[in-house]
Amino acid sequence: EPEVTQTPSHQVTQMGQEVILRCVPISNHLYFYWYRQILGQKVEFLVSFYNNEISEKSEIFDDQFSVERPDGSNFTLKIRSTKLEDSAMYFCASSYLTTENQPQHFGDGTRLSIL
Amino acid sequence: GESVGLHLPTLSVQEGDNSIINCAYSNSASDYFIWYKQESGKGPQFIIDIRSNMDKRQGQRVTVLLNKTVKHLSLQIAATQPGDSAVYFCAEKVTFGIGTKLQVIP
Repeated sequence: EPEVTQTPSHQVTQMGQEVILRCVPISNHLYFYWYRQILGQKVEFLVSFYNNEISEKSEIFDDQFSVERPDGSNFTLKIRSTKLEDSAMYFCASSYLTTENQPQHFGDGTRLSIL
Repeated sequence: GESVGLHLPTLSVQEGDNSIINCAYSNSASDYFIWYKQESGKGPQFIIDIRSNMDKRQGQRVTVLLNKTVKHLSLQIAATQPGDSAVYFCAEKVTFGIGTKLQVIP
């Protein structure tokens, strides 16, 4: 069964540094998402992306964050000038149709640790 | 209302018993709901979904009930197995609930 893959599985970064989290969505999917999950808490929506542009974003997704689909297969989340509170699991997800019509397929996440 | 914090609601169930996990939502216009299962160290995994034009939907060993009057959703797992131990989230599009940790006692 096709799956969403994320790399790296664990990223350790110094506070203030930039980090790029990478995702390969399922190949025929059209909608892409990033979520984060602080340890022990709920999954929080960050951003959705369709047709090479952001379609929706949450309050969390401020100017520190950006997303890109640099080629036909990768979907990245960049966090500039990381803060301690950015430490969390970051999940990528994809779907063929919108979230109004079908569930998303999630990767197993990247654990981001800011020191 | 939902609580927010580090302490997930926990449901402990004897193996073989049925489990019922509950979820409340606030937006009466919500029309599509999903249940996800999250095992330790993994991403959320789709279990079952339901649209607002339905009250009940059944899958393999799982049933979702939707009560639009009281804005309540439940997930029922029949004959709970140790492999069902996980955190279960209800979601409405991109918005997730806080989750319930299901512990199955062998």
